[in-house]
This record gives sequence, structure tokens and C-alpha cells, in this order.
Amino acid sequence: DGGITQSPKYLFRKEGQNVTLSCEQNLNHDAMYWYRQDPGQGLRLIYYSQIVNDFQKGDIAEGYSVSREKKESFPLTVTSAQKNPTAFYLCASSISSGDQETQYFGPGTRLLVL
Amino acid sequence: LAKTTQPISMDSYEGQEVNITCSHNNIATNDYITWYQQFPSQGPRFIIQGYKTKVTNEVASLFIPADRKSSTLSLPRVSLSDTAVYYCLVADSSNTGKLIFGQGTTLQVKP
Repeated sequence: DGGITQSPKYLFRKEGQNVTLSCEQNLNHDAMYWYRQDPGQGLRLIYYSQIVNDFQKGDIAEGYSVSREKKESFPLTVTSAQKNPTAFYLCASSISSGDQETQYFGPGTRLLVL
Repeated sequence: LAKTTQPISMDSYEGQEVNITCSHNNIATNDYITWYQQFPSQGPRFIIQGYKTKVTNEVASLFIPADRKSSTLSLPRVSLSDTAVYYCLVADSSNTGKLIFGQGTTLQVKP
């Protein structure tokens, strides 16, 4: 069963704590993306990776970090420097990074701050 | 970066055809126009993509005039399950795959 999986579905963070959101895909896609969505808003790009061992900052990268050690995995760490982390986080992948490539999204992780 | 403008919300009734228009006045020559659908607490789902004229698939049609400054997503005979947010996107023409999401159009289908 091919697709993108994100875990956990819900995540709670304490003040000053780093948390890591998982994103895995078995679609053999080269490109992967992380987006943040706030209530009633569209998605904003945090980080993206066009190939293994390479990634670039998106529009709102501050307070976040990523790694791309394997083609199928693109974990996102929300650091303590991110002062307003409560949001819905979506991971996506595409065959390549061309503009016309369809992005396939995972089910999302909702992060809440305690 | 190309920017899109679309209505914030629309209402329709079951069985009707729904047309959602999106304007993208600054679209670049190489940009494609893509539409996604999103249900609450789910990831967006690809609906349709086009470059010019008309594109049709099993879900929707996309109409793009010659100047490409706007596009219209057409959903035939909507049902209650089509209630969702619809995003019109024009990709960043730097070929990085970056998508620019606006607020989208919230479509409410009523019985």
C-alpha cells in the first residue's frame, strides 16, 4: 500500500522542548516538503528537499530543522526557538521538484503546546 | 512570485455544477495551474492541473483562457461530500516545486 505516512497524529510539546515529527514515503519520490497550516489559512512551506542529503529553507524555516539521510524519510524537528508551534503540520512528496509535479500529502500531525 | 486570488467561500446545492474562478495576473510563462482539495484535518488532494485551454478528468474540468491570467475549476453535479476547501496554485517558477497556497475557497454543498 503506497503512500505517505506521518506520525504521530497528535503531539504535545512542553515549553522549551524539542519535538520531532516523522514523515515516511514509499513512493520512491525524490522531493519531499514540510508545510505548516494555521486555522483558516493556507499552507506555508517550512523546508523542502529535492534529493537525499540536501534541503533548503522555505518561507518560515526559523525555529525548525530537518534532515534527509534517506530517500524515504524527511523528519521535522520543532525546536524550542519556535515560539508559536501550535499548528497542523503536513508532509508532502513529489517525483521530482519540477513546478508541474503533483505533490502527494500525508495525513498530517497536529502539534499542541501544553 | 505569482499570486492567486479566489473567493473566500461559495455555497451550492447537491446536483448543481460549481465553478470556482481564480485569478493569477502575474503568472509566468512556464507556470502550470494546479487545484487541490482539502477536507478538515486532512492533507490536500490533487484534483487537476493545466497549462492552457481546457483539461478534463474524472473529477473536474479546468478552463484556462488564452491570456492565462485566470482559471476556472468546474465541478459537475456536486454532492455533500464535495464540501471542502479548494486551492488554486501557481508554482514558484524557480523550478523548486514550491507551491504557494492562498486561503482557498471554502465550498459548502447543501442538501
